[in-house]
Order: sequence, then structure tokens, then C-alpha cells
Amino acid sequence: NAGVTQTPKFQVLKTGQSMTLQCAQDMNHEYMSWYRQDPGMGLRLIHYSVGAGITDQGEVPNGYNVSRSTTEDFPLRLLSAAPSQTSVYFCAISTVLPATTGELFFGEGSRLTVL
Amino acid sequence: GENVEQHPSTLSVQEGDSAVIKCTYSDSASNYFPWYKQELGKGPQLIIDIRSNVGEKKDQRIAVTLNKTAKHFSLHITETQPEDSAVYFCAARRTNAGKSTFGDGTTLTVKP
Repeated sequence: NAGVTQTPKFQVLKTGQSMTLQCAQDMNHEYMSWYRQDPGMGLRLIHYSVGAGITDQGEVPNGYNVSRSTTEDFPLRLLSAAPSQTSVYFCAISTVLPATTGELFFGEGSRLTVL
Repeated sequence: GENVEQHPSTLSVQEGDSAVIKCTYSDSASNYFPWYKQELGKGPQLIIDIRSNVGEKKDQRIAVTLNKTAKHFSLHITETQPEDSAVYFCAARRTNAGKSTFGDGTTLTVKP
């Protein structure tokens, strides 16, 4: 039982390149989300999904796209990378069922550098 | 939307002392307040949480208090140990809504 798996763990891009960060879960949780973590700025929500076929924007969505075609996967796409997108990205999941804790389970993170 | 403020941003204590981290939130509809611990190179992990119908919750050396009227909640760590050194995040959300808003984090250093 891996929980939340993020790939790749490290990536270096040049400005203007595109790439996809992968997030896969085996916990059958409805809610999946992407956060970015920057020094002194905590965790900021990029996009989230409450189920297959449903996505919504978070606090800092510009420059990122997401899709949710299955319960298990929630990829984050950077269409044209910019140096401001240099960050550590975390995928986090939880269940939204009543009478549950609502705990977020995080992946190990993907460190992205844009030159 | 929800806004969560967390203080202090850094905290250094001697081993055995207590540590307190405070957070305030803005959305009166928020009713779930978790605390996460992030060790170096890892993703955050839940260490304790509290719901709005409870004023205090304890788990061994860790406790969380909530004042819903004032919209603030605090994390208390007693008898700190070097392995408590990490970044701690508070968060707030509406139950079952999924979306959580985080504070900016507190870097706790416990000196042996």
C-alpha cells in the first residue's frame, strides 16, 4: 500500500518547456489536490478535484492545468514553464465522506527547477 | 475565502522545554483544524487535529486548543525532544469540503 506516489522526485526544465507531474493514489479517496511549497509562503493550493471528471481552481492556478479521468490519478501539467514555477510540489488526498477525519495524506514531493 | 495566519515563523527551544505555535483563521464556517509536521525532504504528516465542537485535545506530549469565538487555535508540545525539530503547519477547512488553507509554517528547532 503505497498511499500517494509522485513522480518524478526531481526535474530541471528550461523556460518554455512543458512537463507533467504525476500523482497516483491507492487509497480510493475522492479528493485530490496539488500544492506548491515556497520558502516562507507555506503550502498554496493550485488545483483540486473532488472526483473523476471534476476539477476546480485553488489559490494559485495560473500556468497549471489538471484533469481527473480516473479516481487514482491526478496529473499536473505545466504548459510553458517559467522560473517563478520553481518550487516543491505536493499532491495531497483525502476522503470527503461524513464522519471521517478529513486528514490529508501527502506524497513525498516533486522538486522542480526552471532555468 | 479562508485566511490562516501562523506565528511564530521560527521557534528555538531547549530540550525539555515547551513550545507553543498559534494560528488564527478568518472563515467562521471552518470547523476542522489539523496540525501537520514536515520533516526535511518529506511531505507533511498529520500529528493532531481538532473539530469545532471540542475545546482541547491531547495526545501524549502534544495538545491542541481551540477558541472558536476568537477564531484561534494553538499547538502545545511539552517536554520537547530533538526529534520534534521540524516545520509545523496549521490548517483550517470546512468538514468534508476537502479544500484546506494552510498557515505559512513554523520552523521549530529543539537544541539538545
